[in-house]
Amino acid sequence: DIQMTQSPPSLSASVGDRVTITCRASQSISTYLNWYQHKPGKPPKVLIYGASNLQIGVPSRFSGSGSGTDFTLTISSLQPEDFATYFCQQTYRPPRITFGQGTRLEIK
Amino acid sequence: QVHLVQSGAEVKQPGSSVKVSCKASGGSFSDHATTWVRQVPGQGLEWMGRIIPMFGMTHYAQKFQGRVTVTADTSTSTAFLELRDLTSEDTADYYCARVETGHNYSWLDSWGQGTRVIVSS
Repeated sequence: DIQMTQSPPSLSASVGDRVTITCRASQSISTYLNWYQHKPGKPPKVLIYGASNLQIGVPSRFSGSGSGTDFTLTISSLQPEDFATYFCQQTYRPPRITFGQGTRLEIK
Repeated sequence: QVHLVQSGAEVKQPGSSVKVSCKASGGSFSDHATTWVRQVPGQGLEWMGRIIPMFGMTHYAQKFQGRVTVTADTSTSTAFLELRDLTSEDTADYYCARVETGHNYSWLDSWGQGTRVIVSS
């Protein structure tokens, strides 16, 4: 299985900060990488698919980049509603998808 | 997108089985794969298996092979996950999600609310 390593596991930041979360694959996955936001008591929500494609309806302050094994999710200016857990997912060999361990983004 | 509603929390004895349902409404069900993932407390999401309801085609993670069955009823737009021979390590939140595809990519565009399964004697 392709292993996905996400960092950092947790992050404290303030409203207005620029935040970057990284995801590393154990082998090259081209751009088959998605990012999700997960808030307690709610189902996860896709933010980015194909490494850099913004899902319809997702604010433009979210962006994704990377290819091969290294990927990043950037939030350009944190808003109060952005405090949540973020996780990556590889879809290089569907249906055998794997996920990162998640990054918990907390208010400083 | 589609609205997915899962069955309620379950408490099970070790060695027993659990069957979780996932009912879709407001969108396409049969021609999209439904995937099942779980999250053990303190761990990341783990893929378990998936089905394409229109064809009944299933795939399972090797870890759960022989212990898990995913089925679907297209007449009610409902997918099911059955997990057998439960142990305490199966205590987790179980999610169904619909697979969307486009531009040569796939992603999980709709998720159920999750079903907590607790395995305890």
